[in-house]
Amino acid sequence: DTGVSQDPRHKITKRGQNVTFRCDPISEHNRLYWYRQTLGQGPEFLTYFQNEAQLEKSRLLSDRFSAERPKGSFSTLEIQRTEQGDSAMYLCASSETYRTANYGYTFGSGTRLTVV
Amino acid sequence: DAKTTQPPSMDCAEGRAANLPCNHSTISGNEYVYWYRQIHSQGPQYIIHGLKNNETNEMASLIITEDRKSSTLILPHATLRDTAVYYCIVRGLNTGTASKLTFGTGTRLQVTL
Repeated sequence: DTGVSQDPRHKITKRGQNVTFRCDPISEHNRLYWYRQTLGQGPEFLTYFQNEAQLEKSRLLSDRFSAERPKGSFSTLEIQRTEQGDSAMYLCASSETYRTANYGYTFGSGTRLTVV
Repeated sequence: DAKTTQPPSMDCAEGRAANLPCNHSTISGNEYVYWYRQIHSQGPQYIIHGLKNNETNEMASLIITEDRKSSTLILPHATLRDTAVYYCIVRGLNTGTASKLTFGTGTRLQVTL
């Protein structure tokens, strides 16, 4: 297990379509985070899971967004009825609870979404 | 979490030390200073963190002022591969929530020949 994996790396979709992204965290990490990053900005927090429980959601996560982490392993982020404003890099990160202070988060390389 | 202020961009010659400043004047006693960097088209990468003492690892050194209101990340011998956006983040560990990272816009470091 070499890190956090995200799939796909790139996604182009037409406005109004639904898209789903997948994140596979580091296997022993029980925390999983989703972030969104637009051009020239730092990543913005979207939501967080501890094991399978979604414990926090940002106001950025509109009703069209939903995230799941069944069985506390991989996670999916779905965007329904995509809009051009959803175009961004979607980043996933994971961490161990007790090691967060010492080792920080491990981020994946992200999924770049382009809505046309 | 406390807000941070960083210069938007800096240049550094290859082989020289890169000193990246960060102001966090509203930091509270239980908040750590974290540094991450993001190389183009990649996710952010953890560099180092500290509470009040200076810290050093294989990647960098972190100097935190005595009043903890500012810090400096030092890359002792910058290489072209250190060209990236560097984020200074202040975060408490006992927030009772996700201890999520709140990113600003960071400092874009350009290392040149």
